Parts: sequence; structure tokens; C-alpha cells
Amino acid sequence: GAVVSQHPSRVICKSGTSVKIECRSLDFQATTMFWYRQFPKQSLMLMATSNEGSKATYEQGVEKDKFLINHASLTLSTLTVTSAHPEDSSFYICSASSTSGRYNEQFFGPGTRLTVL
Amino acid sequence: RKEVEQDPGPFNVPEGATVAFNCTYSNSASQSFFWYRQDCRKEPKLLMSVYSSGNEDGRFTAQLNRASQYISLLIRDSKLSDSATYLCAVTFFSAGNKLTFGGGTRVLVKP
Repeated sequence: GAVVSQHPSRVICKSGTSVKIECRSLDFQATTMFWYRQFPKQSLMLMATSNEGSKATYEQGVEKDKFLINHASLTLSTLTVTSAHPEDSSFYICSASSTSGRYNEQFFGPGTRLTVL
Repeated sequence: RKEVEQDPGPFNVPEGATVAFNCTYSNSASQSFFWYRQDCRKEPKLLMSVYSSGNEDGRFTAQLNRASQYISLLIRDSKLSDSATYLCAVTFFSAGNKLTFGGGTRVLVKP
């Protein structure tokens, strides 16, 4: 299957700082990338959908000014958590899909574990 | 009511036994269905897509029941390595490629 990478895999930061997470599709062009958040013992919750070259579409309840998403190329999307607070501590996972993919398959990155102190 | 629901478990399964569990969805316009496996503190990995006619991949069998709006996953001859959380995911006609995940079913296979 296709490979999606995320960087960093783990980040610990102080409250009030901003954190950028990168999501890359390594061997295919991702027309769409998705950002999810997963709290302990809960399922993945979609935060936003980003299409290359256009603004991200955020899910209800997700603050677009706090979670900045940029999908500047067909292989890279970034999520910036601005002014992070302890309640933003979570497992952030991206996924990527291609219009040529079968059955709308999404390929997931390994996730980024964010801890805000 | 959640759009996609699963029994959280855990399902404690003796090694070698068969286990099956369901995932119900509320939107009759659901389009595509998937089972993912997620190990602790890892990303979900696609286990299998679920086809209308049902499909099998080795020890894993997935079924779709559109009339009752659920999908199922059956694991035969359970291995210790099958211990994981199994997430079902659904896409809806009106939502493009977006996946909506269930809460996951935890399976623990014990010797």
C-alpha cells in the first residue's frame, strides 16, 4: 500500500506555543488529506479535510484559527496547533487519499503524539 | 445517536476460537464500508474493505447487511497477534471521501 509519513512522531511543548505537524505522501500524489484527533480510549474524530491548493474544510466544533491547515502540494499537508494548551494534548493522525485510489481508500500516517504542559 | 456505533468490548477470546462483532450505522445513504485494525498508540491500518456480497481474507470475513444497516467482522482461529482494537469506518454519499469511524471494538486473544 501507499506510504504516508508524519513528523514529528512525538512533541512535548509548553502551553502557549505553536506546534507544526507535517504529513507527507511518499509514493503517491494525495489530492485530499485528512486530519484526525484521537483522545485516549476514544475513536478517531475528523478535524478537517484539505484539498491541494484550496482552503481546508473544518468539521463542526473545530476552530479553524486554532488548527491551521495548509495543503500546499500534492504530497504535503501541515497542521499547526496555535497557542497550544493542555486540553490540546492528543494523538493527531493524518491520512491521504488519491482520486485514483480504490474504494475511497485512505492511507494513514503513523500519528503525532502531542503533549502540552 | 452516533452515526457509527460499535460494542467497545473487550471481547476476551481463547486462542484458536472464533469471534465476531458488528458495527451499526445510522445513515442509509452510506456508501463504502471498511474495517481497520488499530494497535495501542499506533495509527489505524486498513484490514479490509467490505463489499456488498461479503468478502473473506484469510481468517477474516466481513459482511454487509444493508437492510439492517450493519457490517460485521468475523475472525476465525484467533491468534494472539489478533489482539487489537477493530474500528469500522463508513463513508456517506453526501460527504465525499470522508470516513466516519466507530468507537472501536477491543479484542483480547488469550492463550
